Amino acid sequence: DSGVTQTPKHLITATGQRVTLRCSPRSGDLSVYWYQQSLDQGLQFLIQYYNGEERAKGNILERFSAQQFPDLHSELNLSSLELGDSALYFCASSPTRVPVPGELFFGEGSRLTVL
Amino acid sequence: AQSVTQLDSHVSVSEGTPVLLRCNYSSSYSPSLFWYVQHPNKGLQLLLKYTSAATLVKGINGFEAEFKKSETSFHLTKPSAHMSDAAEYFCVVSFPYNNNDMRFGAGTRLTVKP
Repeated sequence: DSGVTQTPKHLITATGQRVTLRCSPRSGDLSVYWYQQSLDQGLQFLIQYYNGEERAKGNILERFSAQQFPDLHSELNLSSLELGDSALYFCASSPTRVPVPGELFFGEGSRLTVL
Repeated sequence: AQSVTQLDSHVSVSEGTPVLLRCNYSSSYSPSLFWYVQHPNKGLQLLLKYTSAATLVKGINGFEAEFKKSETSFHLTKPSAHMSDAAEYFCVVSFPYNNNDMRFGAGTRLTVKP
């Protein structure tokens, strides 16, 4: 158990809808990272938050947004969903602002299916 | 350009035989290298890491990897596969000179036959 909690584990929705994925980092970790894992794209970094502020951005679509709250949990919002957004979305956390190699702890993911 | 390539998308071995999962990287500077494992319906777990110390790195569950700068490789090995080793394995490169930017390989699915 990594200590990172993600909800929901599974989500099925329709195209055009909006969903919110939630992540609670390990106790004491200030950084939260979001990744998308799909069959054709592999594991893609989306965005990182550190202590409530956006720190780094990856291949995140404009239809997607994220935030980190004062209690350090994070939410990833996906809107105007398309079939291609079906994927496993991972959250990871780490204690530092700059990721320390190997000290990234992953949750079990939220599997999104868009029909 | 900075990149990481896992040479096999799928590897199948018999239980008790050696495992070799191949990873090559491209970098102008010495990177940090890692292997993560993802069991079905689970998150990624760190298997081992290389951060410019000994070139032969030992990880959990009997896995090890050797950093070969001349070959820009970081292949993962295990002398004897167990059924529980069946999982997806990711080679990851981190670039210390670039804010520890991490790049994940496409993954190698390891199947272990009885």
